[in-house]
Amino acid sequence: SQKIEQNSEALNIQEGKTATLTCNYTNYSPAYLQWYRQDPGRGPVFLLLIRENEKEKRKERLKVTFDTTLKQSLFHITASQPADSATYLCALDVRYGQNFVFGPGTRLSVLP
Amino acid sequence: EAGVTQFPSHSVIEKGQTVTLRCDPISGHDNLYWYRRVMGKEIKFLLHFVKESKQDESGMPNNRFLAERTGGTYSTLKVQPAELEDSGVYFCASSQDTGSTDGYTFGSGTRLTVV
Repeated sequence: SQKIEQNSEALNIQEGKTATLTCNYTNYSPAYLQWYRQDPGRGPVFLLLIRENEKEKRKERLKVTFDTTLKQSLFHITASQPADSATYLCALDVRYGQNFVFGPGTRLSVLP
Repeated sequence: EAGVTQFPSHSVIEKGQTVTLRCDPISGHDNLYWYRRVMGKEIKFLLHFVKESKQDESGMPNNRFLAERTGGTYSTLKVQPAELEDSGVYFCASSQDTGSTDGYTFGSGTRLTVV
């Protein structure tokens, strides 16, 4: 069956460290994969998109990798700050923008 | 630029009543999506409009849900009659192009509680 898993429901790290979040999927062949941030009571906010033929994408302190063989994406936040505390969602775009599937999310807490 | 606006932010209705949710996408965005998250579950796709046309409504749970986008601007999602299991947060998102590399802009959602 089709499934998307994100490494853990919650992740605590110390300020200044690198946070690494994992998104694994089964029985999907995504054209691309997106990462979103969601704060309580708000909608998801787009962060990064990576295509199936790209290995890595960066934006400021954020880095995303995409391994279609392992069926996995890693999302890194370097030099993490308490303001980075939020729930992070991966989303597989499986119909070229017409429909995408969200993972359950990982709640990241960056401790001062 | 105004973001995606959803109204109301919260709605509490009794089982059997009708509720209409509204979404105003970013001006000029042809693509409009409805998603929802029910308690403890992932965000799930409901449907996708391109302008006023329904491109994909495969996620609509049943015929109690009706979405419209007359004129290709704002959209409404009506639930009639509402059931307890319809409770959750309904999100709207928009994008300029299908498959946009700029991602999708989501509204803050409408929290629907059916009692």
